Parts: sequence; structure tokens; C-alpha cells
Amino acid sequence: DVKVTQSSRYLVKRTGEKVFLECVQDMDHENMFWYRQDPGLGLRLIYFSYDVKMKEKGDIPEGYSVSREKKERFSLILESASTNQTSMYLCASRSDVRRQGSGANVLTFGAGSRLTVL
Amino acid sequence: AQRVTQPEKLLSVFKGAPVELKCNYSYSGSPELFWYVQYSRQRLQLLLRHISRESIKGFTADLNKGETSFHLKKPFAQEEDSAMYYCALSGLILTGGGNKLTFGTGTQLKVEL
Repeated sequence: DVKVTQSSRYLVKRTGEKVFLECVQDMDHENMFWYRQDPGLGLRLIYFSYDVKMKEKGDIPEGYSVSREKKERFSLILESASTNQTSMYLCASRSDVRRQGSGANVLTFGAGSRLTVL
Repeated sequence: AQRVTQPEKLLSVFKGAPVELKCNYSYSGSPELFWYVQYSRQRLQLLLRHISRESIKGFTADLNKGETSFHLKKPFAQEEDSAMYYCALSGLILTGGGNKLTFGTGTQLKVEL
């Protein structure tokens, strides 16, 4: 029963290409996140969306943008891919803690999208 | 600011030995602490959280506010415990609502036979 689905498991792109990473969740969660996971650096937050059409920069937003047109879908966009964006990208979702209380403060992760930029 | 420190990149123990994965945090308010785990070729998932005060798969973690630590412990390691473990802190309120979750750099636990 997959709840957070990332459309691409592996991608190989060239420097300068525009890259779209898609994430869909079926739990009716308000909050969605994009992290990148790198060895020795852990998970770093790129962007966060707390509701449809709402977004907030995370810790490392440079070189990325996002789109949240529908509640279930959160897209990460690399306008012009660079080699230093080679990484594992993780999408996650969560209920709105303000509405659901602290018990909802748990992330559900997707399987990840491994992007290689040549 | 909020920060999570996991000092060990790799921890190797023998089966049946005790395990302690260290986590220290920096946060001025009252944080919520978590341990997430990623087994080989599986998704990152919640292992436990301090407010639940429960043992999951034999693991426990106690929040020590004086030492700002949330170490993960298990008395007897099993081979299936081999995984990457991340400590995480939920604290600062993000614009628009919701708490920012900050992860540590992770500790790879290897349980040897």
C-alpha cells in the first residue's frame, strides 16, 4: 500500500537540462517536503509546501524550484541541472500539525529518486 | 537555529552486543525528537519518537534535556538491525504552519556475526 510515490526511481541527465521530479501522495496530507540525501550530509530540506500553491524555502533552495498545483502532487524542478545536484532526492508528506495535533508530526517518505547529472 | 549532531558515521558491533547510537541536539525551545531508520533498499521510516516513550524492535531512546541528547539504545544487537539511522528534531515553526524537521548526518549501524 504505497502512500508516497515518486515517479522516477533513477534519472540520468546532462548539465544544463531542465529536470522535473514528481511526487504524489494519497493520504490527503497538507504538508509536502523535498529533501536531498547525501552521504555524510544526511537529509537536507530543499523546499516545503504547507498547502496547495504554498511553498517555503528550506535550507538549500538554490538551484531548485517547486510547484504544488494540487494537494496530492508536489514537483521539484531543477531549472538547469548541474553536476553538484547529483544526489538522492526524497519526497515526504505529513498532516498539518496545527489541525491534527502533534500526533500527526510524522513524515511518510517516498522511495527516492536517484539523479545523476553528467 | 536548530541542529542535530550524530558524531559517528559508522558503528560496527557484534551480534548480541549492546548498541548505542548517539544524538545531540541544539535548540532553544522544547523540541520533539525522532529516530528514523532506512534499511537496505527500503524507504526511510519512523522508528520511534520521544513523546511516545515506547520500545520499538527492542530500541529505546530517552530525551535528556540537561545533556541535550537523545541516544538510541538496544541491549542486544541483531543482524536485522543493520541499517542507516537518522536522528531528527522538530522545533521551529515554519511560515504558514508546521514544524521544521532537521535531520542529523546519520549513523550506519553494522551488526556482524
